[in-house]
Amino acid sequence: DAGVTQSPTHLIKTRGQHVTLRCSPISGHKSVSWYQQVLGQGPQFIFQYYEKEERGRGNFPDRFSARQFPNYSSELNVNALLLGDSALYLCASSLATDTNTGELFFGEGSRLTVL
Amino acid sequence: AQSVTQLGSHVSVSEGALVLLRCNYSSSVPPYLFWYVQYPNQGLQLLLKYTTGATLVKGINGFEAEFKKSETSFHLTKPSAHMSDAAEYFCAVSFQGAQKLVFGQGTRLTINP
Repeated sequence: DAGVTQSPTHLIKTRGQHVTLRCSPISGHKSVSWYQQVLGQGPQFIFQYYEKEERGRGNFPDRFSARQFPNYSSELNVNALLLGDSALYLCASSLATDTNTGELFFGEGSRLTVL
Repeated sequence: AQSVTQLGSHVSVSEGALVLLRCNYSSSVPPYLFWYVQYPNQGLQLLLKYTTGATLVKGINGFEAEFKKSETSFHLTKPSAHMSDAAEYFCAVSFQGAQKLVFGQGTRLTINP
């Protein structure tokens, strides 16, 4: 079975541009979460979606947005890119909406470089 | 607010030696605790988790961790290191009903031949 797939794997943008990152969860998983991992740090929670509704949001500015589609895939959008947005963006899927009942399965990430 | 502190950003051990990666947490409610491993250019993989019940938790690849409430710790151990254990390890905390994990900054484990 396919795991969590993310695209693109690498991309380079310039300041002020916007970016769209895509994630396909494991088949049957209805929850998708997004994390930002800056080099040398642990992942930080950005969003969680379950059944196409936003269930949680981390401490990120409004430049960050996301959505989940009827097939449970998800997009993360970042507008007005800053140098500090350079990071590995990880998508994770799970069967359940909360962390005590659902193991998170992570994709390999999309590495964004902002110049 | 919940937080996780991993003591030592880099740990180096010899092949066959004991691996000990330290994790302390801060939580105002009963925590759920996790260890994830990240190999180069890969996503995170769950090693083990503690939610309720037995405080000694066994995970994959011979790793285990013990939840010590009095010490607010959840240290990860493996009796005998293998070269394939070289990776980045992350401790994380959550609680019932939560939608997110709070991660520590990670510990890079190097195995010397």
